[in-house]
Amino acid sequence: SQQGEEDPQALSIQEGENATMNCSYKTSINNLQWYRQNSGRGLVHLILIRSNEREKHSGRLRVTLDTSKKSSSLLITASRAADTASYFCATDAISSGSARQLTFGSGTQLTVLP
Amino acid sequence: AAGVIQSPRHLIKEKRETATLKCYPIPRHDTVYWYQQGPGQDPQFLISFYEKMQSDKGSIPDRFSAQQFSDYHSELNMSSLELGDSALYFCASSFRSSLKYEQYFGPGTRLTVT
Repeated sequence: SQQGEEDPQALSIQEGENATMNCSYKTSINNLQWYRQNSGRGLVHLILIRSNEREKHSGRLRVTLDTSKKSSSLLITASRAADTASYFCATDAISSGSARQLTFGSGTQLTVLP
Repeated sequence: AAGVIQSPRHLIKEKRETATLKCYPIPRHDTVYWYQQGPGQDPQFLISFYEKMQSDKGSIPDRFSAQQFSDYHSELNMSSLELGDSALYFCASSFRSSLKYEQYFGPGTRLTVT
């Protein structure tokens, strides 16, 4: 079953605007990771936030985690056309076994218009 | 920095044929994961290896098998291929022993079954 649900499924903004994507999950987690994927290409790791963290920053990225609501958000500030991609959240669930496999959400397709 | 290497990048096979996908993890990473991403779908975990031993199994069909070798590279063997096996297959690696759980993905192998 799908662990993560992301919204919106698609987001279109103008260059320079901020983009916010949300992710909800169902089980208790060790950490939550955000990935980016250009069409048909590989997954690029963006940021990992641990279950005991509430907010994390990396460059133009800001991730929040609310374990009580089982949700996370990814904010991309001052977006650029090159940010156009699909963004996935992935959870490392406490019940996921010893190797900590990831369960991915359905992704948000972000389009940044020049 | 060295990344995860996957080969081949593209593979076309006919139904009922076999395929072998290879993955070379980032040097010093001790855990390898395989994921399958169907068209328009989110990645689904197949199987993982930690220190050359199978660690966890996900939604991997019985027709598929995998192993990790002494040099830490991994191979995913797929037999009796079906049209539905057409997908992007990703390998990811992490350095679990250092308690770093970020998974770094390779560029993927695009398998097309005709």
